[in-house]
Amino acid sequence: DVKVTQSSRYLVKRTGEKVFLECVQDMDHENMFWYRQDPGLGLRLIYFSYDVKMKEKGDIPEGYSVSREKKERFSLILESASTNQTSMYLCASSPPRRSPYEQYFGPGTRLTVT
Amino acid sequence: RKEVEQDPGPFNVPEGATVAFNCTYSNSASQSFFWYRQDCRKEPKLLMSVYSSGNEDGRFTAQLNRASQYISLLIRDSKLSDSATYLCVGLRNSGNTPLVFGKGTRLSVIA
Repeated sequence: DVKVTQSSRYLVKRTGEKVFLECVQDMDHENMFWYRQDPGLGLRLIYFSYDVKMKEKGDIPEGYSVSREKKERFSLILESASTNQTSMYLCASSPPRRSPYEQYFGPGTRLTVT
Repeated sequence: RKEVEQDPGPFNVPEGATVAFNCTYSNSASQSFFWYRQDCRKEPKLLMSVYSSGNEDGRFTAQLNRASQYISLLIRDSKLSDSATYLCVGLRNSGNTPLVFGKGTRLSVIA
């Protein structure tokens, strides 16, 4: 079974703090994704990566950055957290580029910025 | 037209009922679609793929209607455990990100 783990289930941070959300997958998947999910807005793609050291912007990259130093790990960074970044953050991974559709999601991190 | 659109519901149906919901898409060149299921406070999980020939898996049937640009998910003999949000997923019209998720249709199966 594919396993995608995220570093925290719940996180509370203050405005202006730098926040790191970590995601690790154990299936040697090339593709990794970060989404946020908000009521009424659905899943929105923040950043994704098709390989180590690669990153590409999704629909809403502003205020976020990512790091992929190892194949199994994809980190989302909030440089200076703001209250509008309060959300559920979901990481996903998928097999090689030719079939990026079967995405396996982690359990999510519910981030609250106060 | 949004890339992938779904009726948010909720669809409230009794156990044993048959329920169907649709998802419309705007990219007429799309070949592949997917249904994901998301339980309350859980992550989405792939339910089934929808190819041009459709797909059936037990009580679940997914079909693609190219002429009208929609896909459907039919659930027969609904169980309480089918209660969840069903996300339609398709390909984007443009850009380099491969997938776009619908906002989901919420299903509640009632005893």
